[in-house]
Amino acid sequence: KAGVTQTPRYLIKTRGQQVTLSCSPISGHRSVSWYQQTPGQGLQFLFEYFSETQRNKGNFPGRFSGRQFSNSRSEMNVSTLELGDSALYLCASSETSGSYNEQFFGPGTRLTVL
Amino acid sequence: ILNVEQSPQSLHVQEGDSTNFTCSFPSSNFYALHWYRWETAKSPEALFVMTLNGDEKKKGRISATLNTKEGYSYLYIKGSQPEDSATYLCAFSNDYKLSFGAGTTVTVRA
Repeated sequence: KAGVTQTPRYLIKTRGQQVTLSCSPISGHRSVSWYQQTPGQGLQFLFEYFSETQRNKGNFPGRFSGRQFSNSRSEMNVSTLELGDSALYLCASSETSGSYNEQFFGPGTRLTVL
Repeated sequence: ILNVEQSPQSLHVQEGDSTNFTCSFPSSNFYALHWYRWETAKSPEALFVMTLNGDEKKKGRISATLNTKEGYSYLYIKGSQPEDSATYLCAFSNDYKLSFGAGTTVTVRA
């Protein structure tokens, strides 16, 4: 089985722009979670999608949004980018929703905001 | 915000030595405790998902224990090898989301 894929792998944007990141889960996985990692911080939970519905959301401003498609692929959007949004964004997929499930991580998208 | 703390932040181990490190988490409303290994330039890789108090899990030379009543988990590496060099993350859940610790970075010296 192919692993979790994320595109693009690297991205450079300027303040005020918006960005869309994509995540394709492992085939058959229906849950996708997104995380942000900034220098010195652990992975911070952004949100989880399951069956095209947002199941849970972390403590991030409304500029961070996402969606999931019927094929379980997910996108994350950040509007009005700020310098502090520079980070590694990871997505993880699992078979179903719920924290009992093993999560499989993608390689991440490294976003740099100038 | 759930406080998940890992200690030490980093450690250096001589090849062949064994080591262990700690993950502390809130002891209320426990659902699951995950351990991941994150090697440089790779994706985090799941090691264990633990759900029961007293659980012990093992994968090769790596094992983990869980105490949900007092809110801690230990990860053990027996006979460390250079390929064990990585950051080890634990993540606690009391509902649908995982709260990660900052990790313990292990460097194994040959």
